[in-house]
Amino acid sequence: EPEVTQTPSHQVTQMGQEVILRCVPISNHLYFYWYRQILGQKVEFLVSFYNNEISEKSEIFDDQFSVERPDGSNFTLKIRSTKLEDSAMYFCASSRDSGDEQFFGPGTRLTVL
Amino acid sequence: GEDVEQSLFLSVREGDSSVINCTYTDSSSTYLYWYKQEPGAGLQLLTYIFSNMDMKQDQRLTVLLNKKDKHLSLRIADTQTGDSAIYFCAESAPTDKLIFGTGTRLQVFP
Repeated sequence: EPEVTQTPSHQVTQMGQEVILRCVPISNHLYFYWYRQILGQKVEFLVSFYNNEISEKSEIFDDQFSVERPDGSNFTLKIRSTKLEDSAMYFCASSRDSGDEQFFGPGTRLTVL
Repeated sequence: GEDVEQSLFLSVREGDSSVINCTYTDSSSTYLYWYKQEPGAGLQLLTYIFSNMDMKQDQRLTVLLNKKDKHLSLRIADTQTGDSAIYFCAESAPTDKLIFGTGTRLQVFP
């Protein structure tokens, strides 16, 4: 059964460093999303992406965040200069069409020291 | 603004029914979802209900929607230890983003 994959499963970085979180969405899906979950808190929407453009972004998704689909399979989230409060589980999701079920990856746990 | 609330914990005995409740604020939501998260895993879609439905049953799962009160519930019949997880209610905004609740940790004991 096709699934969304994410790498790495756990990333540890120093404050101020750049990180790139990688996702491989399901191959025939066209809509891509990033969510994050700070430990003990809600899962929060970050950004949605379609047709090589950001469709919507939340207030959390400020200038230090960016997303990219560098090739036909990967979807990345870059955090330019990490802060302690960026420590969270980051989930990638994809859907075939707008409004369809979103399939989630297993998440990347980001720890900023 | 959009908000989804759930109780934090639920503990049930194996074989009993579990009922997890959720309230939401955005009456324009088209779909409402229940996701399950097991330790160290991603979010697994359990079931969903279209906003013009009152009830949906899927094997051991029953979803009830009271649109007037903006209340959603998930009933799990014959709860098993493998059902122990965190359950998230989510609503779809008019855009595609999902708005999640705080999650309810279900603990099933023998």
